[in-house]
Order: sequence, then C-alpha cells, then structure tokens
Amino acid sequence: GAVVSQHPSRVICKSGTSVKIECRSLDFQATTMFWYRQFPKQSLMLMATSNEGSKATYEQGVEKDKFLINHASLTLSTLTVTSAHPEDSSFYICSAPERTSGNTIYFGEGSWLTVV
Amino acid sequence: KQEVTQIPAALSVPEGENLVLNCSFTDSAIYNLQWFRQDPGKGLTSLLLIQSSQREQTSGRLNASLDKSSGRSTLYIAASQPGDSATYLCAVNSNSGYALNFGKGTSLLVTP
Repeated sequence: GAVVSQHPSRVICKSGTSVKIECRSLDFQATTMFWYRQFPKQSLMLMATSNEGSKATYEQGVEKDKFLINHASLTLSTLTVTSAHPEDSSFYICSAPERTSGNTIYFGEGSWLTVV
Repeated sequence: KQEVTQIPAALSVPEGENLVLNCSFTDSAIYNLQWFRQDPGKGLTSLLLIQSSQREQTSGRLNASLDKSSGRSTLYIAASQPGDSATYLCAVNSNSGYALNFGKGTSLLVTP
C-alpha cells in the first residue's frame, strides 16, 4: 500500500528556535497533504491543508506565520514551527490522500516535538 | 461543521470480555468512516474503514458498523486481550480527498 514517511519522529528544540518537520509520500504523488496536531489526551486537530504549488489553507486559530507550510513538490510537504515555545510541544502528524485508491488517506508516523 | 463524539472516554475491562466503543457524528453526509488505534507515544494504526455505502467491516476480532442515517458507528472487539489496550479513534471523512475529523478517542485498558 501507499506509504507516507514523516521525519523526524522526535525532536527537542530550545525556545525561540525553529524546527522543520518533513512529510513525504514515498510511492505516490500528493497534491494535497494535511497537517494535524495532538495535545496530550486530546484528539487530532487539523491545523492546515497543504497544497502543492500554492499557499496552504489554515484552520481557524492556527497562526500561519508561526506554522509555515511549504509544499514545493508532489511528494514533499514541510511544516516549520517558528520561534517555538513550550506550549508548541505536541504531536504533529501529516496525512495525504492517494488518488488511485479512491483518495484513501495515509498517515505519516508522526513527530513528537518538545520545546524546552 | 462535522462534530465527532466518542463514548465512553475511557473503559477498563477484564481480559476476555467483548466490548463496544461508540462513535457519533453530526452530519450524516459522509464519504467514509475509519477507526484507528493509537498506542501511547505512537502514531496511528488504521483498523477498519467503512465506506458510506457499507454497513459494516470485519477484521479478525474487530467489527465496525455504520448507521449513516443516525450518525453512528460502533467498534466491537471480541474476546479482548491485554494487547488491545490503547486509545481508539473514530474519524469521519466528509468528502473524497478531504481531511478527517477525529473524535477524542476512547482509552481502553484490558486487564489480565
């Protein structure tokens, strides 16, 4: 089946720095990718929809200048958390619909971000 | 906006019991519904996907049903085992190619 790979799986960064998370579709092209965030004991909340070749669409309440999304190719979307703060510590996970399978959605492995 | 609710939030059962997890959604116009498992500190494992035209799907000891008109789905786990302990998430896809709307999950503990 289709595979979505996410990297890094875990990252620790200092407050004020930026960290980039990559999401790759390994065996299919993804014009759209979705980024979710999950706080402890909470559900996964959609942050933004990444669109290849155009600007991302952010959900209400998500700061687009803080969470930079780039979808420069059909197989790669990146999420950059800028000027990270401890409250940004969370589980971030991406997903992508695979068109030939009726848009079955495949998830990456997720990334645990800890800001210290 | 689609709202997904899961009941109960947490459940503890002794090994061997059959159990049912519930999921409800507010907008019955869905494309499909999916059940996931999430272990602590881990990502998502897809368990079952039910298309809107289907009533149920089965995989091993798991059976998921869908009643679209009433906005409900259930995940039935037969003969539960300690290894089934995890959080189970219900997610609704409102349209092909759209993002999933997740419930808050049911945290299941199966005790030996």
